[in-house]
Amino acid sequence: GENVEQHPSTLSVQEGDSAVIKCTYSDSASNYFPWYKQELGKRPQLIIDIRSNVGEKKDQRIAVTLNKTAKHFSLHITETQPEDSAVYFCAASTSSASKIIFGSGTRLSIRP
Amino acid sequence: NAGVTQTPKFQVLKTGQSMTLQCAQDMNHEYMSWYRQDPGMGLRLIHYSVGAGITDQGEVPNGYNVSRSTTEDFPLRLLSAAPSQTSVYFCASSLQGMNSGNTIYFGEGSWLTVV
Repeated sequence: GENVEQHPSTLSVQEGDSAVIKCTYSDSASNYFPWYKQELGKRPQLIIDIRSNVGEKKDQRIAVTLNKTAKHFSLHITETQPEDSAVYFCAASTSSASKIIFGSGTRLSIRP
Repeated sequence: NAGVTQTPKFQVLKTGQSMTLQCAQDMNHEYMSWYRQDPGMGLRLIHYSVGAGITDQGEVPNGYNVSRSTTEDFPLRLLSAAPSQTSVYFCASSLQGMNSGNTIYFGEGSWLTVV
């Protein structure tokens, strides 16, 4: 069935370094891949998304890359800051009905 | 424009009790859905609706009912609460399909504990 796998589950990086979170998806018909950031006790909020006709998208310190052949997509955060500490979720659209499937999340911690 | 409003924010239930989580949006969104979030398992889809009068099951529908009598409201009913339903519940809405590239707006979440 439809599945999104996300790695790693936890990630700790030094402030100023880069962080990379990777996801794979199973549905070859997936064409929309959003990323959400969830701070402790808060709702998930969209930080960046990419559609299948684009290989890379960047927004300031955040970038997402997509490899449709390999069914991989990744989130890259450069020059990490303390406020980047949160749980990040990847997601992929599905061919069946109008829904998206979420990965299991990555808890990112930024060390001062 | 309040966005997506969920109530209650916190609730404790006894096993076997029933309750309804309310969700309302004022953005005239056609698409609404309910997710549950458990540690290490991300957000799992319970039920969703593509418009008033239309609902469908997601990944984990057992033990829950929904209805969509109006565009604005999408309540989630727990029929007979079980400890396994202890979770954080998020309602979400989108102008068009969840896979259409429209931003998905989440409510603030409802923390439910079943004892």
